[in-house]
Amino acid sequence: AQKITQTQPGMFVQEKEAVTLDCTYDTSDQSYGLFWYKQPSSGEMIFLIYQGSYDEQNATEGRYSLNFQKARKSANLVISASQLGDSAMYFCAMREITSNTGKLIFGQGTTLQVKP
Amino acid sequence: GAVVSQHPSWVICKSGTSVKIECRSLDFQATTMFWYRQFPKQSLMLMATSNEGSKATYEQGVEKDKFLINHASLTLSTLTVTSAHPEDSSFYICSASSRTSGLYNEQFFGPGTRLTVL
Repeated sequence: AQKITQTQPGMFVQEKEAVTLDCTYDTSDQSYGLFWYKQPSSGEMIFLIYQGSYDEQNATEGRYSLNFQKARKSANLVISASQLGDSAMYFCAMREITSNTGKLIFGQGTTLQVKP
Repeated sequence: GAVVSQHPSWVICKSGTSVKIECRSLDFQATTMFWYRQFPKQSLMLMATSNEGSKATYEQGVEKDKFLINHASLTLSTLTVTSAHPEDSSFYICSASSRTSGLYNEQFFGPGTRLTVL
């Protein structure tokens, strides 16, 4: 069965520094998609970045990059030059191609606090 | 980007009453909508998947008769919490997708509804 694991319940980072949020996944499918979402205290889910299992290059979106290591089944999110507004809960999620409903499986989440 | 709205944003109700939450895709047609439940500091738990015009598919452990889901049009899905009890108090989030094929089918999330049952 597919599973997403985020082992860091909480993380602290100094403003302007980079931080890596860990995510490992388990699936028997060859085709899958990995997503990262940000959830501030307001509760809205904000899409950050996507990586497909067949993508050869790591995805990047502005200050966000995804360190995709397929053999290790990890998809860590790297946030560069942290800002105070980055303080939020972050979720890693996966979608398998065999899931014709399009549903996502979410990890437990990591709460990130950026210190001034 | 695509916008999904939810109404109400928060609701307080008495135990035993029913509460309806609406989820609307404002600028696209949502073939599929998803309903999630989230307790404080926890992950999103998928409750059900609904496709327009058909019955919702509920996840294991979710009571179909308690959480009624209707997806009557391509832009509207509703979740009704029937005979609500304090343990139903939670943050309910919907998301919508315009397609389910392919790996990259971004789900667009609503802002969530905070339900408090007294």
